[in-house]
Amino acid sequence: QPVLTQSPSASATLGSSVKVTCTLSRGHSDYVIAWHQQQPGKAPRYLMHIERGGSSYMGRSTPGRYSGSSSGGDRHLTIYNVQSEDEAVYYCATWDKNAHWVFGGGTKLTVL
Amino acid sequence: QVQLVESGGGLAKPGGSLRLSCAASGFTFSDNYMSWVRQAPGKGLEWVSYISDSGSGTFYADSVRGRFTISRDNSKNSVSLQMDSLRAEDTAVYYCVRAQDGYNFGDYYYFMDVWGKGTTVTVSS
Repeated sequence: QPVLTQSPSASATLGSSVKVTCTLSRGHSDYVIAWHQQQPGKAPRYLMHIERGGSSYMGRSTPGRYSGSSSGGDRHLTIYNVQSEDEAVYYCATWDKNAHWVFGGGTKLTVL
Repeated sequence: QVQLVESGGGLAKPGGSLRLSCAASGFTFSDNYMSWVRQAPGKGLEWVSYISDSGSGTFYADSVRGRFTISRDNSKNSVSLQMDSLRAEDTAVYYCVRAQDGYNFGDYYYFMDVWGKGTTVTVSS
């Protein structure tokens, strides 16, 4: 089954850009992944999903400062002009017909 | 607007039962797979179960298979999770989540796109 690997933490200064990466395990590099944001004390919310080939599709309420991209087995979430409300834990997730849904461990973004 | 509202959480004793419900609105409920995802205190997200749009297919994580049962009533726009033989490690916030499908390079895929606010389950004696 696929395994999604994320760095536990990242940081960015106000107004800068930051890239958060989710790495798919060997043999699963063509999987579609979705990014979800969980702000402190809140439920997660869907941000976007990224297809094999790099096409990304944003959720209706996802700010335009968010972007998705793909490189091999890596799926990236880039946040431009980082704001204080972007401080959150970011989870990637994928679906597999055998393992069903798998989540990454989450990346906690701190805004400095 | 699209909304999922969970209910039924609470305190249960080890070995006990709880039934969670999720009321959906703002979309054609019978078009979507529905899922339950949980989050133990201070931990990450863990998928628990999902059910196909018609209800004919149900799937479970290894950690809950044989103890939890997912079901849905498309006439009432609701999905439920019956939790039996509860354990302390089932303590978590339980989220109801909608899934969407897509098609890419000759293959179907699914992704979660709407989350409820969650309901808290505590298993303790």
